[in-house]
Amino acid sequence: DGGITQSPKYLFRKEGQNVTLSCEQNLNHDAMYWYRQDPGQGLRLIYYSQIVNDFQKGDIAEGYSVSREKKESFPLTVTSAQKNPTAFYLCASSRRMNTEAFFGQGTRLTVV
Amino acid sequence: GQQLNQSPQSMFIQEGEDVSMNCTSSSIFNTWLWYKQDPGEGPVLLIALYKAGELTSNGRLTAQFGITRKDSFLNISASIPSDVGIYFCAGVSNTGNQFYFGTGTSLTVIP
Repeated sequence: DGGITQSPKYLFRKEGQNVTLSCEQNLNHDAMYWYRQDPGQGLRLIYYSQIVNDFQKGDIAEGYSVSREKKESFPLTVTSAQKNPTAFYLCASSRRMNTEAFFGQGTRLTVV
Repeated sequence: GQQLNQSPQSMFIQEGEDVSMNCTSSSIFNTWLWYKQDPGEGPVLLIALYKAGELTSNGRLTAQFGITRKDSFLNISASIPSDVGIYFCAGVSNTGNQFYFGTGTSLTVIP
């Protein structure tokens, strides 16, 4: 099946620890994105990548880092510098920038 | 970053009723997308619009790309309980390089 897969679905971490969220797609899409969603709010862009080995900061990149070493994979690291990391994280991909984007099922991160 | 103005924020309707929601922007958009999100899941793409004035249907859903290119509308006809969820609009401006999302419309369908 073609699609975009995020793992894990739920993640718990202690404050001060870095954590990495996985995002894999087998749609052969060039562009990938990471969004953060908080209750009652829309999606906010963290990072995006138009092509392998390239990525750009979105609106709320502070405290996050990404890599794009393979076309299929775009992992997001939530670092200890992120002041309020508990949120629902969504990964998406599109054939190229600014075309229809398809989302993964999300990862709910809780930092205690 | 820019957020789109989406209304209404929430709707409570009887099963069988039609639903309308809209999204507006202060800038011109080249693409409008409509998504539905169930609780705890990722958004699912419903309809994509690429041309001003375009009217596109997907089953009981119909969406339109506004003539001014600053708005879009989504209609759901004859609502059913599984229509419950949060509907998001998203757009790409002709000056930007990212998607902008609305704040969502929460739909509750009462059987």
